[in-house]
Amino acid sequence: DAGVTQSPTHLIKTRGQQVTLRCSPKSGHDTVSWYQQALGQGPQFIFQYYEEEERQRGNFPDRFSGHQYPNYSSELNVNALLLGDSALYLCASSPGQGGNYGYTFGSGTRLTVV
Amino acid sequence: QKEVEQDPGPLSVPEGAIVSLNCTYSNSAFQYFMWYRQYSRKGPELLMYTYSSGNKEDGRFTAQVDKSSKYISLFIRDSQPSDSATYLCAMSDQAGTALIFGKGTTLSVSS
Repeated sequence: DAGVTQSPTHLIKTRGQQVTLRCSPKSGHDTVSWYQQALGQGPQFIFQYYEEEERQRGNFPDRFSGHQYPNYSSELNVNALLLGDSALYLCASSPGQGGNYGYTFGSGTRLTVV
Repeated sequence: QKEVEQDPGPLSVPEGAIVSLNCTYSNSAFQYFMWYRQYSRKGPELLMYTYSSGNKEDGRFTAQVDKSSKYISLFIRDSQPSDSATYLCAMSDQAGTALIFGKGTTLSVSS
């Protein structure tokens, strides 16, 4: 049973560019959340998608946007990249929004902005 | 003051030791408490999930929640070198919503 799959695993971008990260949730999970983890820090919540809609958003600027598809997979888009956007981006899925479960995380995409 | 405080360590113990990891929090609305383990270059892996106050045991791991003190703990018995990782506490006020994480505690277990 495949867990949460994220692609790509590593990415290097230049300041000002745009990036798209992808996530396939664990089988049976329909809710996807995205987190940003800077080096030496805990993950910070970006937003959550359920039924193809953004249900909750953390304290991130509008440069961060997302999408969820009918098959529950999701994308995270970041525009106008800044050096400070360099981090590990984690996707987490769960079976049902509002369900009493912990989240399953993917291994993340490491984004480096130069 | 951060919502969730966690001592980053590092914490070094010999194999077989009992390890105690802790987090404090300020938001009394938090009801769901989790502990995640994160190996280097990997995503967090859920270890323990607790609702409200009380204890929960799973093998060598015990999670405790004291809501009156806003304090949660994870105990690891008979620690093994394979337990060497970063341990993250996480919590939320409603089921299935955003998790608020601590910074993580780096644990090293030597054989």
